[in-house]
This record gives sequence, C-alpha cells and structure tokens, in this order.
Amino acid sequence: DAGVTQSPTHLIKTRGQQVTLRCSPKSGHDTVSWYQQALGQGPQFIFQYYEEEERQRGNFPDRFSGHQFPNYSSELNVNALLLGDSALYLCASSLSAGTLSYYGYTFGSGTRLTVV
Amino acid sequence: QKEVEQNSGPLSVPEGAIASLNCTYSDRGSQSFFWYRQYSGKSPELIMSIYSNGDKEDGRFTAQLNKASQYVSLLIRDSQPSDSATYLCAVSEAGGSARQLTFGSGTQLTVLP
Repeated sequence: DAGVTQSPTHLIKTRGQQVTLRCSPKSGHDTVSWYQQALGQGPQFIFQYYEEEERQRGNFPDRFSGHQFPNYSSELNVNALLLGDSALYLCASSLSAGTLSYYGYTFGSGTRLTVV
Repeated sequence: QKEVEQNSGPLSVPEGAIASLNCTYSDRGSQSFFWYRQYSGKSPELIMSIYSNGDKEDGRFTAQLNKASQYVSLLIRDSQPSDSATYLCAVSEAGGSARQLTFGSGTQLTVLP
C-alpha cells in the first residue's frame, strides 16, 4: 500500500520564478492538505483540497495556489518566488468523512525548496 | 489567531528516564490533539492522538489531555536514543471532515546514552 508520494524531493529556484510541486495521496484517501515548514518551525497550513476544490485556506498569499485532480492527486503552485519561500513543503493526505472523528493525516516525505 | 505553544527546548534526558513534553493551545474549540515525531530531514510521523480528557497510553508513550486548562502533554517512558527527534504538538477543530492542523514549533529531544 503506497503512502503519500511527493515530487520532486529537492528543488532550487531563482527569486521571481514559479514552481509546481506534486503529491499523490495514500491509496483510499480523498483529501490533500499542503503545509509549509520553515527551518526550526512547525508545519504551517497552506490549504486543503477535497473533491477538486479548495476547502480551507491558511494565511498564505494568493501567490500560493493549488489544484486537485479527479484521481485525488494534487499540485501546489507558487508564483513570484521569494527568498522566504525556502522551506520544506509537506503534502498530507486523509480521508474525509461525515462523522465526528479524525482519520489521521499521512505525510509525504516532502519537497525541499530552496530559493536563491 | 489560533496558537499552539510548546515548552522550549532542547530537552535532554538520560537513557531510561522519562521525557516530559508539554503543549498549550489557545482555541477552546479544539477537539483533537496529536503528537508527531519528526527526525531531522524527515516528515512528521503520528505517534499519539487523544480526544478526551485524561490519559491515553500506547506502549512507552502516554498522552495526557486537560481541556479545561487547554493543556496536552506527552510522556515517554524508558527513553531510548532512538527517541531523539523533534516532537510536534498539533491541534485540530472538531468537524465532520478532516480539518487543518495547527502545529507548535516543536521541542527537540535528545536522549543521551
């Protein structure tokens, strides 16, 4: 049973460029969340996708956008990269449900983005 | 602004000792609480979840929740060098669907042989 896979694992971009990160959720999961983790900090929620729509969004500028495909995979796009966007980007998949319970996030291994 | 605060590290304990990690949260509407372990350069790994007041034990790990005090803790008994990692406290709202997690900044634990 494949877990969450992210690509690429490492990426170096120049300030002002655009980047696309990819995520395939764990088999059976239908919800994908993206987190940004700066060095020495906890992950910060960027947004969550369910049924191909953005369901929740954290406090990130519009330069951060995403997409979810019919097969539940997802992309994170960041435009006009800043030096401060350098971080580990984590994808987490989960199963959405209608009951009051938590089904657990499975994190991918992340994409390390360096902006120079 | 929902906040999750963790006791500042780094925390060092000798092998075999009990490591105690603490976390407070600001949002009284929080209903789900988690501890993640993150090794250097790796992604977070869920080790404990707790939803009700009291203690929850899983092997060498015990999570404790006090919603009135907005406090959650993690005890690691018989600490091993392999437990050396950053421990992240995370909090989620109640809700019908999987919700976003708000993380603390983590406590770095070192278990000395």
